[in-house]
Amino acid sequence: DAKTTQPPSMDCAEGRAANLPCNHSTISGNEYVYWYRQIHSQGPQYIIHGLKNNETNEMASLIITEDRKSSTLILPHATLRDTAVYYCIVRVADGGGADGLTFGKGTHLIIQP
Amino acid sequence: NAGVTQTPKFQVLKTGQSMTLQCAQDMNHEYMSWYRQDPGMGLRLIHYSVGAGITDQGEVPNGYNVSRSTTEDFPLRLLSAAPSQTSVYFCASISRGRLYGYTFGSGTRLTVV
Repeated sequence: DAKTTQPPSMDCAEGRAANLPCNHSTISGNEYVYWYRQIHSQGPQYIIHGLKNNETNEMASLIITEDRKSSTLILPHATLRDTAVYYCIVRVADGGGADGLTFGKGTHLIIQP
Repeated sequence: NAGVTQTPKFQVLKTGQSMTLQCAQDMNHEYMSWYRQDPGMGLRLIHYSVGAGITDQGEVPNGYNVSRSTTEDFPLRLLSAAPSQTSVYFCASISRGRLYGYTFGSGTRLTVV
């Protein structure tokens, strides 16, 4: 799996958009970008994933650059409950479930009231 | 509610004791895996399974055994607990189609004294 780089921490004001960057310059053509988050003491929660097109669901939007070397997770209207560690993970989607996920240290996002 | 259930939530063991951490899922997921998370760190893969009767090692398998006799259950056994195994343990599952990412349990906090 390709290596990812994320800032260790970020702050965002409540109600504003939180933009979390991730660099994955060695990503392969068949690797997807996945985002998970972990709220304190809980199990990680899947947020969104994408290959090369931008994706949006009820939780967030994922913007992937055209060269696919970086991406940004956007939480459009951050709330205090979005305070968590956010993990960006790059891996093959199909046939790779056998070997689980490789977690880095992620970005600790703190939403300020 | 459908999901991944882990028991117990908390456990204290003495060095040398053995125990089994239970993990059950009711989503008919083929893939299941176990992770440990040490303070301030990301999750690390211990063992995984791609289906009943099939298991394999992850990044940190030493000191742990697993078996998968049914699709629903994937217990993790500590044969002789050591203080270095003090950690939070998470179980996760995903369907072979892997459309929406892994579902994680709420974790077992284990302390070995």
